[in-house]
Amino acid sequence: RKEVEQDPGPFNVPEGATVAFNCTYSNSASQSFFWYRQDCRKEPKLLMSVYSSGNEDGRFTAQLNRASQYISLLIRDSKLSDSATYLCVVPNYGGSQGNLIFGKGTKLSVKP
Amino acid sequence: NAGVMQNPRHLVRRRGQEARLRCSPMKGHSHVYWYRQLPEEGLKFMVYLQKENIIDESGMPKERFSAEFPKEGPSILRIQQVVRGDSAAYFCASSLPPGQNTEAFFGQGTRLTVV
Repeated sequence: RKEVEQDPGPFNVPEGATVAFNCTYSNSASQSFFWYRQDCRKEPKLLMSVYSSGNEDGRFTAQLNRASQYISLLIRDSKLSDSATYLCVVPNYGGSQGNLIFGKGTKLSVKP
Repeated sequence: NAGVMQNPRHLVRRRGQEARLRCSPMKGHSHVYWYRQLPEEGLKFMVYLQKENIIDESGMPKERFSAEFPKEGPSILRIQQVVRGDSAAYFCASSLPPGQNTEAFFGQGTRLTVV
């Protein structure tokens, strides 16, 4: 299994739709996980951190399943501005955000 | 409080030349990380440095690439004798000492094009 693997995408959805991305990881010792957002030709920015079973922030919900080693990101009521690439990220050391292993990303395109 | 500053934003080099990429971390951050993103690929970790120390260089190519983070001044990623395959976006990130709640902030990247 690759270190961090994501849905290949792209996801093309209409405004208002609910969309979910999955991500699997290989290091069973990983304790914390992150979703970053990267806009075209821009730097990644932290969207959400996941330390326990899940995290919710407005329209965004991240869930963690340690037994199956996957993390999901759910976006409700999609907005045009949600169009971006979403990167699943797993630290290489414990809880450090420093040495991060990035998935290849899933591209989301929200259409009017 | 300025964010992570990288320069230049765009860099064009001919094959065989040297490329020097600079990264100034956020104020108060002493930990710097370099990542490379090839076209249509995800970000790949290259190297993790503290002031004057290389902590982890497991992602650095064995030849032609080097990195430093001197006591004074920015971190430098140096690529000698560049080849076309080095064309990529190089992102720098900085953080406080790593811990569970430590966020890494990224600079806007340097886009290297080797012609």
